[in-house]
Amino acid sequence: GQSLEQPSEVTAVEGAIVQINCTYQTSGFYGLSWYQQHDGGAPTFLSYNALDGLEETGRFSSFLSRSDSYGYLLLQELQMKDSASYFCAVGDRDDKIIFGKGTRLHILP
Amino acid sequence: DTGVSQNPRHKITKRGQNVTFRCDPISEHNRLYWYRQTLGQGPEFLTYFQNEAQLEKSRLLSDRFSAERPKGSFSTLEIQRTEQGDSAMYLCASSTPENRGTEAFFGQGTRLTVV
Repeated sequence: GQSLEQPSEVTAVEGAIVQINCTYQTSGFYGLSWYQQHDGGAPTFLSYNALDGLEETGRFSSFLSRSDSYGYLLLQELQMKDSASYFCAVGDRDDKIIFGKGTRLHILP
Repeated sequence: DTGVSQNPRHKITKRGQNVTFRCDPISEHNRLYWYRQTLGQGPEFLTYFQNEAQLEKSRLLSDRFSAERPKGSFSTLEIQRTEQGDSAMYLCASSTPENRGTEAFFGQGTRLTVV
């Protein structure tokens, strides 16, 4: 089966940098994705890593280490609108997508 | 591309009643996923389809839950004999083979309340 672990909550200051970690156990791993969900909204895709290394998309970057079954999402220049829940998700070779329980990001002014 | 559409947005039902939800995926997406989400938790995998074929159903899912995608387009999720524990947000998502299941597009969900 699959399981993902990520911190339940993280707090950071506006303008700062925050890192949200994710470790996973899965069979047939294909890639690690990150999603953002605001209260009352639907999850929206942020980034994806299939290979080791860092992927950068604007203020957001995502990292993967397949050998360590570990990844993280890095958010820079935090804005109040970044307050949301962030989920890591693993995709397997059959394209099934399993989500972690999410990290609630609180941003202080 | 009008996005993933789910109906109804809200459903209140009495315990023991049956409910059915509908999901219309993005038109060219052949993968369709159903998830359940409760407050403070991540989306919990229920089942998924490639075209009309149901590929997997979560082993945690009761036999009261069934899903179909008869023509490989829209899908329905039915819950029979609802229980209060079924109260949750039911999310549908779709993706394309090119995304290899890594980028899923979600609908706004159906919020079910069982009273």
